[in-house]
Amino acid sequence: DGGITQSPKYLFRKEGQNVTLSCEQNLNHDAMYWYRQDPGQGLRLIYYSQIVNDFQKGDIAEGYSVSREKKESFPLTVTSAQKNPTAFYLCASSVGLAVEIDTQYFGPGTRLTVL
Amino acid sequence: KQEVTQIPAALSVPEGENLVLNCSFTDSAIYNLQWFRQDPGKGLTSLLLIQSSQREQTSGRLNASLDKSSGRSTLYIAASQPGDSATYLCAVLKAAGNKLTFGGGTRVLVKP
Repeated sequence: DGGITQSPKYLFRKEGQNVTLSCEQNLNHDAMYWYRQDPGQGLRLIYYSQIVNDFQKGDIAEGYSVSREKKESFPLTVTSAQKNPTAFYLCASSVGLAVEIDTQYFGPGTRLTVL
Repeated sequence: KQEVTQIPAALSVPEGENLVLNCSFTDSAIYNLQWFRQDPGKGLTSLLLIQSSQREQTSGRLNASLDKSSGRSTLYIAASQPGDSATYLCAVLKAAGNKLTFGGGTRVLVKP
């Protein structure tokens, strides 16, 4: 089965803890993305990566960090510096080359709750 | 800065009625516009992608139009069914960089 997997589905964090969300794809896509979604709102871009070992900040990168050591994997760490981390986190990937026809494929999401 | 707006935020229709969902964007320098469907607590599924040089795309009961000069797109869903109940999001891919900007979504309820 080709696709994007995210784990865990639900995650609970205590104040002051760092947590890491996993995102894996077997679509052979070069580009990967992390979004945050708050209730009743659209998606906001946290970080994106066009190629292995390279990534750029999105619109709301503060308090988050990423790595891209393998083409298939793009983990997101939510640090204690993120003031309001409770949200639904979505990972996506795309071919990243033919831009006009490039569409993003999304994983099932991770719901993070701070206790 | 690109801004994407979707009106209305929520819509309720009886089964069989046609659905009309609106999306507007402020910067016409886009590569494409995409419509996605999101079921509660799930990821997004791509429905239609309209390239900047195109005016519409169709897939089954779905038709999406794009008027880049006026910054508008409309998603039509013909003969709605209860299974069409979901949140529909539009997003534009800006010409500089490979980043999507999303609207806030329209939550649709189709009543049997």
